[in-house]
Amino acid sequence: AQSVTQPDIHITVSEGASLELRCNYSYGATPYLFWYVQSPGQGLQLLLKYFSGDTLVQGIKGFEAEFKRSQSSFNLRKPSVHWSDAAEYFCAVQWGSEKLVFGKGTKLTVNP
Amino acid sequence: SQTIHQWPATLVQPVGSPLSLECTVEGTSNPNLYWYRQAAGRGLQLLFYSVGIGQISSEVPQNLSASRPQDRQFILSSKKLLLSDSGFYLCAWSLGGEQYFGPGTRLTVT
Repeated sequence: AQSVTQPDIHITVSEGASLELRCNYSYGATPYLFWYVQSPGQGLQLLLKYFSGDTLVQGIKGFEAEFKRSQSSFNLRKPSVHWSDAAEYFCAVQWGSEKLVFGKGTKLTVNP
Repeated sequence: SQTIHQWPATLVQPVGSPLSLECTVEGTSNPNLYWYRQAAGRGLQLLFYSVGIGQISSEVPQNLSASRPQDRQFILSSKKLLLSDSGFYLCAWSLGGEQYFGPGTRLTVT
């Protein structure tokens, strides 16, 4: 079965530091790729998406992600983290017209 | 613009009681609709999805059921709740690409 892996369950960074959250997916047809963010007790908010074209995509809240086909990865980055970025982040992948498959999430803690 | 509503926001129910969670979408037509459950540390589990009125696909066999009586209404039900049904239930809609999520319902079965 196709799968999505977020290898880091929990990451802690200092405010102002750079951030990279990893996401890898199992091989399959050309995927559609997504990152979502979830604050405690809230629904998921779409940060960015990749369907085709430029492999570096910009999203909301200063986030970006880069699709690397050779590595089956779609890592999320932010150059300078703010305390309000503390949340849980989910990578999701869709193969063709199939359903979204979510990773198990990475919880981000931001130290002052 | 499109909005998605879920209610109730929180619910505490005893074991064996029935359940009805409702999700409605505004501002779009014929969306795909989804029910997910999120348990602590287990990510999102897709429970049901629907591509049209009366069309329901179940992903996980369990004591829950779903119905779509109207184009933009999706209902999650149970006749008898189990302790293991506790969790955060999320509804989502899409038009085939990215999914947009509602605010969720926190269900505690006691």
